Amino acid sequence: AQSVAQPEDQVNVAEGNPLTVKCTYSVSGNPYLFWYVQYPNRGLQFLLKYITGDNLVKGSYGFEAEFNKSQTSFHLKKPSALVSDSALYFCAVSPLGNTGKLIFGQGTTLQVKP
Amino acid sequence: DVKVTQSSRYLVKRTGEKVFLECVQDMDHENMFWYRQDPGLGLRLIYFSYDVKMKEKGDIPEGYSVSREKKERFSLILESASTNQTSMYLCASSPSGGVTDTQYFGPGTRLTVL
Repeated sequence: AQSVAQPEDQVNVAEGNPLTVKCTYSVSGNPYLFWYVQYPNRGLQFLLKYITGDNLVKGSYGFEAEFNKSQTSFHLKKPSALVSDSALYFCAVSPLGNTGKLIFGQGTTLQVKP
Repeated sequence: DVKVTQSSRYLVKRTGEKVFLECVQDMDHENMFWYRQDPGLGLRLIYFSYDVKMKEKGDIPEGYSVSREKKERFSLILESASTNQTSMYLCASSPSGGVTDTQYFGPGTRLTVL
């Protein structure tokens, strides 16, 4: 079965420190991977996606993600966290052969403390 | 910018009522989606539509139906609302059926069924 896992329900970091939000996937064929962010009482906003090419993908708000095929991971990273980065983050995968559907992980709450 | 709007941010209904959730996108997108979001479960796909009058079931279609009479509008219908349908409902759209398409989300409707 094709799936996405976010192993941490919550990640806590201090402002100014680097942050990592983890994501692993299980799909057939080449994966197409996405990160979305959800601020309180809002819809999801697209951050970045991996299609092919460079394993390091840069996205919005200074976020980047590293695709690692051997570890089947797509971790979200930022060199220096801001309090305003506190939100709920979702990893998603677009399975091969589908019609644009996404499979989402359960979400990770990022808490950045001043 | 892509804009996806949902008819209500908050909605309170009684058990057994018929409930309509409306979604409109302004970017001429082919695909539209309805998800429900519950804590710890991430986003789960209820239904999606890849063309006017076309629809496909997602992972949790039971108790729901949809309507897409015009390209820009996708409605979710709860035929007889039940308390276990209390949730956040998110609508999304994407340009076409491509596996690499980004989905764009509306702000969500938080539905409470009493």
